[in-house]
Amino acid sequence: DAKTTQPTSMDCAEGRAANLPCNHSTISGNEYVYWYRQIHSQGPQYIIHGLKNNETNEMASLIITEDRKSSTLILPHATLRDTAVYYCIVRSYVGTSYDKVIFGPGTSLSVIP
Amino acid sequence: NAGVTQTPKFQVLKTGQSMTLQCAQDMNHEYMSWYRQDPGMGLRLIHYSVGAGITDQGEVPNGYNVSRSTTEDFPLRLLSAAPSQTSVYFCASSTEGSQYFGPGTRLTVT
Repeated sequence: DAKTTQPTSMDCAEGRAANLPCNHSTISGNEYVYWYRQIHSQGPQYIIHGLKNNETNEMASLIITEDRKSSTLILPHATLRDTAVYYCIVRSYVGTSYDKVIFGPGTSLSVIP
Repeated sequence: NAGVTQTPKFQVLKTGQSMTLQCAQDMNHEYMSWYRQDPGMGLRLIHYSVGAGITDQGEVPNGYNVSRSTTEDFPLRLLSAAPSQTSVYFCASSTEGSQYFGPGTRLTVT
């Protein structure tokens, strides 16, 4: 089973920051938080991941709470092309390899003009 | 560097036929996996592999076989196609960081 819960859908005005929450209250110490998105029927696209520190890249920022039980993906200036389903996933490192990746239903983000 | 490639892009099968979906990556990733996505639904993990010679079942493995003889290739075999296997199939590979997905194979079983 997926180990995360996300809202089913969200709207965001174009040009505004989109803040997508994710709850992972049962996360363990060796599990990373990953975010992906899927635009229409394309293959999912990696966005960002983190362990316990906040992370930022050219696409987004990831804010992880101090207790690591929840996180927020921030798209700083949402555009219409950011309309997609966003998936929050936890993934552990087992031995010398990462464990399997299970997707939940994700959050359908609609960016409104 | 082509990333993750999948062939074919589209396929129509009759019930009972068998076929192999091909997946290849040129990034030397150890971890590879197969997902299916039914219309309007999320991704479900079929099988995955953490390296050559090692495979394991995901959430929905029945009706599918995989093998991993090389790091680069991870084919998915449908043993006897059924209409319930009509779906879009995505292959992915990953390293310590991101996971890269292929463009998908749209399979219809009539």
